Amino acid sequence: QKEVEQNSGPLSVPEGAIASLNCTYSDRGSQSFFWYRQYSGKSPELIMSIYSNGDKEDGRFTAQLNKASQYVSLLIRDSQPSDSATYLCAVRGRGSTLGRLYFGRGTQLTVWP
Amino acid sequence: DTAVSQTPKYLVTQMGNDKSIKCEQNLGHDTMYWYKQDSKKFLKIMFSYNNKELIINETVPNRFSPKSPDKAHLNLHINSLELGDSAVYFCASSHDTGNTEAFFGQGTRLTVV
Repeated sequence: QKEVEQNSGPLSVPEGAIASLNCTYSDRGSQSFFWYRQYSGKSPELIMSIYSNGDKEDGRFTAQLNKASQYVSLLIRDSQPSDSATYLCAVRGRGSTLGRLYFGRGTQLTVWP
Repeated sequence: DTAVSQTPKYLVTQMGNDKSIKCEQNLGHDTMYWYKQDSKKFLKIMFSYNNKELIINETVPNRFSPKSPDKAHLNLHINSLELGDSAVYFCASSHDTGNTEAFFGQGTRLTVV
């Protein structure tokens, strides 16, 4: 399924830099979007949700949504080695696919000291 | 207090066997899911139940049968296990099928030998 696509990475940034993770989705009517973080061997953990166009900030994380371009991004400011993980973009289905939460294949981020 | 818990965490079994994975959530959510994460880390939805009713049944072999005795529990039974069934299976729950985030259990790593 190609409902959600992410830049596959891996992405490597130095400590203190801004990490930028991108995601596009195919269903123009999608209403809700999520970013999950998954450490190796662990389960996905929700870090951000966004529903409206624009930016949403939570600490060092900023999610950006542009529904016209069908694009969601996650910025991590002042990246830390503890941010090293795989980041998963997820999009809620609607209509005939209501109830489904589709995931991208994830972007692996490494933050080096 | 674990919100979404699944057992067992690890399962190693021989081809042809039948096995079950159990999931329970104490969040009071109406909707529960089973996801399969393959070796390339792609999270693919398998099933979803809303208030004990099956609402999503993706293209999954008939050997996989979910059961929801009540809205807090969702189990997955797998018959005649095959090598290709080896993966990590995640249970998740969300408040409902609308624009809400999902919370994941810790996963069950199934290895078929």
